[in-house]
Parts: sequence; structure tokens; C-alpha cells
Amino acid sequence: EADIYQTPRYLVIGTGKKITLECSQTMGHDKMYWYQQDPGMELHLIHYSYGVNSTEKGDLSSESTVSRIRTEHFPLTLESARPSHTSQYLCASRRGQGAYEQYFGPGTRLTVT
Amino acid sequence: DQQVKQNSPSLSVQEGRISILNCDYTNSMFDYFLWYKKYPAEGPTFLISISSIKDKNEDGRFTVFLNKSAKHLSLHIVPSQPGDSAVYFCAASARGFGNEKLTFGTGTRLTIIP
Repeated sequence: EADIYQTPRYLVIGTGKKITLECSQTMGHDKMYWYQQDPGMELHLIHYSYGVNSTEKGDLSSESTVSRIRTEHFPLTLESARPSHTSQYLCASRRGQGAYEQYFGPGTRLTVT
Repeated sequence: DQQVKQNSPSLSVQEGRISILNCDYTNSMFDYFLWYKKYPAEGPTFLISISSIKDKNEDGRFTVFLNKSAKHLSLHIVPSQPGDSAVYFCAASARGFGNEKLTFGTGTRLTIIP
């Protein structure tokens, strides 16, 4: 079982604010992911990283940005939050080649008013 | 175009009986399939997976069956327990450069009736 942490768990913030969602894992996994999920919908990949200094955009276009300066840390930033950003954000990680299972953090429920 | 489909949004099963959750996919390149379980306000938890070279994988009460010709997989839970009540997501991964990604279905909410 991977240990992966997300903070905050819940965030209510006003339009136009800058926010950073934190994600950390202690398993030394190279690969990390950010997903967005709306109620009753599938998880959509918005960002991923193969390792330090590697970031890629996912399948769903997102106005958020990510960075990967350390292996264990993969924060997501929204420069100017909007109500359309209201969603659940899930961070995940996995080991390298040959292991397809991704392990998820508890998620951040973001509400932009 | 949704490549992984879970056509049943919800399912109710009596405690002790078998729960069968279904998943269909359209992309022939998918070669690895996973099931996740999600409780409210928590992240998905990995349950079981299967490679396309197999047609069955079993882990305790959970068995996944893969029918490649029909592009269909199912998750069987026997016997069902109240703690199994959750949303179950099917996910798939493809070979090649794109195999880093998981494509998820929309989930099936399973309710176990005591």
C-alpha cells in the first residue's frame, strides 16, 4: 500500500485567488499523476510526470500547472480560481516499468465561489 | 468518445450473494485492466488487475474475468459484504508510449443490503 498525501482535503475559495494543491508520496515512485473528477463522472487525467523536472499535460485540458522539483512532491497550482474549477482533484503515483497500478491520495475537494 | 464504459450506474445486492460489475471497452490497444473501489470523500483504492494474456485473475473474494473478443470484463465479489458498498471504477491501459495513462469508466455504485 502506497503512502500518498494530499492537502488540503477541502478548500472553499473565492474567484480570482491563487491556490496550490499539495501532493506528496513517501514510496519513491517516479511517476505521478493528477486527475480531476466531477460527481458521477470518470476520472480525467490532467497532468502527469515521469520523474523530477518532467511534466506533461493529460487528456483533459486544464488551466492548472504542475511542477516536479523533488521526487516525492507534485503540487498543482491554479493562478486564478474560477467557479468552473470546482471539482475533486486526485493525486496518484506508481512504480516504474511493469507496474500499472496507480495508488491514489485522499483527494482535495475544491469549491470556488 | 468514451473508451471504457460502465453501463450500470448502480447495483444493489443482498449480503452474502454474488456481486457482478461489468465493464466494456472499445480500444483494441488496451492490454491491462484494473478495478478500483472508492468510498465517498476518499481516493480510489486499487483492488485487482488483469493482463490481456489472461482471462481470469482471482484475489480472495474478488475475481476479474476478461473476454477479449467481446471487449468485456467483469468483477465478481463473493460473498458480498456490507463493507463492499462503494463506487467501483474499471480502468484500462494501452501498450506503447501511451501506457503511462489509465482510462477510467464512470463507475458503478454498489450497495450491499444487509
